[in-house]
Amino acid sequence: EVQLVQSGAEVKKPGDTVKISCKISGYTFSDYYMHWVQQAPGKGLEWMGLIDPKDGETIYAKKFQGRVTISADTSLNTAYMELSSLRSEDTAIYYCARSSSADWSLDLWGRGTLVTVSS
Amino acid sequence: QPVLTQSSSASASLGSSVKLTCTLSSGHSKYVIAWHQQQPGQAPRFLMNLEVSGTYNKGSGVPDRFSGSSSGTDRYLTISNLQSEDEGDYYCETWDSHVVFGGGTKLTVL
Repeated sequence: EVQLVQSGAEVKKPGDTVKISCKISGYTFSDYYMHWVQQAPGKGLEWMGLIDPKDGETIYAKKFQGRVTISADTSLNTAYMELSSLRSEDTAIYYCARSSSADWSLDLWGRGTLVTVSS
Repeated sequence: QPVLTQSSSASASLGSSVKLTCTLSSGHSKYVIAWHQQQPGQAPRFLMNLEVSGTYNKGSGVPDRFSGSSSGTDRYLTISNLQSEDEGDYYCETWDSHVVFGGGTKLTVL
């Protein structure tokens, strides 16, 4: 079955760093880009960035540049999203989603990982 | 960078049809977009991508009731024979070295 399985919910304190994983199955990891999308409570979708697992090349949204690191381990078929210097506004569900390199339609989504930032 | 504009809400009766609109910013009329559905408490789900020609390609398992069309900078998602499970948020997406989402339309099935 083609799917993206994300790691479990996290509770962090302001200033902490969180690292979320997204393990793929059912397709060849390096054939698709992996994107990360943030959704704050009651809000819309916000794109954070992507990685090409084939060569590790990344592109980040300006809003998150400097605080986000997206990586991939092809031996584990897993992508990661690390967000540092957490603040309360980072409380959100984080989704991984794949696209092809030619067409960035996000055609497969993970179930999401809730990150709560609270002192 | 393209900008996508969606109405914040829409409503239609059970069994009827509804047409949701996603408008591309000026100068971006040829861009492909994607439509995503997010049912309450669920992750988004890819519905289709949609070209300026009106050609669309649906995701796996998306019912025939969902269709797409285009006119100029407008991209439409039409849902026929509305069901209660169609209630939720609908987002359009496009890209140009970065991914951009519209603000989403909240669909209520009456």
